[in-house]
Amino acid sequence: EIVLTQSPGTLSLSPGERATLSCRASQSISNRYLAWYQQRPGQAPRLLIYGTSNRATGIPDRFSGSGSGTDFTLTISRLEPEDFAVYFCQEFGASVWTFGQGTKVELK
Amino acid sequence: QLQLQESGSGLVKPSETLSLTCTVSRGAIDSSNSYWGWLRQPPERGLEWIGNIYYSGLTNYNSGDTYYNPSLKSRITISVDTSKNHFSLKLNSVTAADSAMFYCARFNIPMAGFDYWGQGILVTVSS
Repeated sequence: EIVLTQSPGTLSLSPGERATLSCRASQSISNRYLAWYQQRPGQAPRLLIYGTSNRATGIPDRFSGSGSGTDFTLTISRLEPEDFAVYFCQEFGASVWTFGQGTKVELK
Repeated sequence: QLQLQESGSGLVKPSETLSLTCTVSRGAIDSSNSYWGWLRQPPERGLEWIGNIYYSGLTNYNSGDTYYNPSLKSRITISVDTSKNHFSLKLNSVTAADSAMFYCARFNIPMAGFDYWGQGILVTVSS
């Protein structure tokens, strides 16, 4: 089982600022098998990024993903009010699909 | 666009079987491009993948295959009913630790991501 560790646990920022979220895997992952999700309070997760760097349908271009091997990053270039939420990374490469524990982006 | 809706009992007694159904609308469940999955999220916790089922509707070798989280494999069954366009989860011998929000979701195989989700159903295990 691949363990995904997200950091920081909480990110306190203001609208308009840049958010950089990290996801580190316990072993190397193919870029194809790394995705990011956003979860707002009381809602189901929403797919943001697939294949490390591809935006899902309808996702604004302020969201971008990058990385390779064991280190992956989700960047939100300029935070909008609706971006304050929890973000999870997920991997599909192993027989057990796992999620990171999440990073909460909160209003400073 | 595709819609998924969970249904089932929100309260299950310890040692009994949790049964949930996910109805798929505005799309067919016999899709070669999809896995149909179950995930759960205990309150204020992270997400856990439970398992997937693949049903292409074709007589290829892996239609109907299931993929389960090994930590739950001995207790779960995921199945498809194409006549009702739904898939189901059964989790037996439940304990309080199984209390969670349960989600069904479609895994888009070419894209590699869960791109459609149900709204979730809260299941509590309590006597």
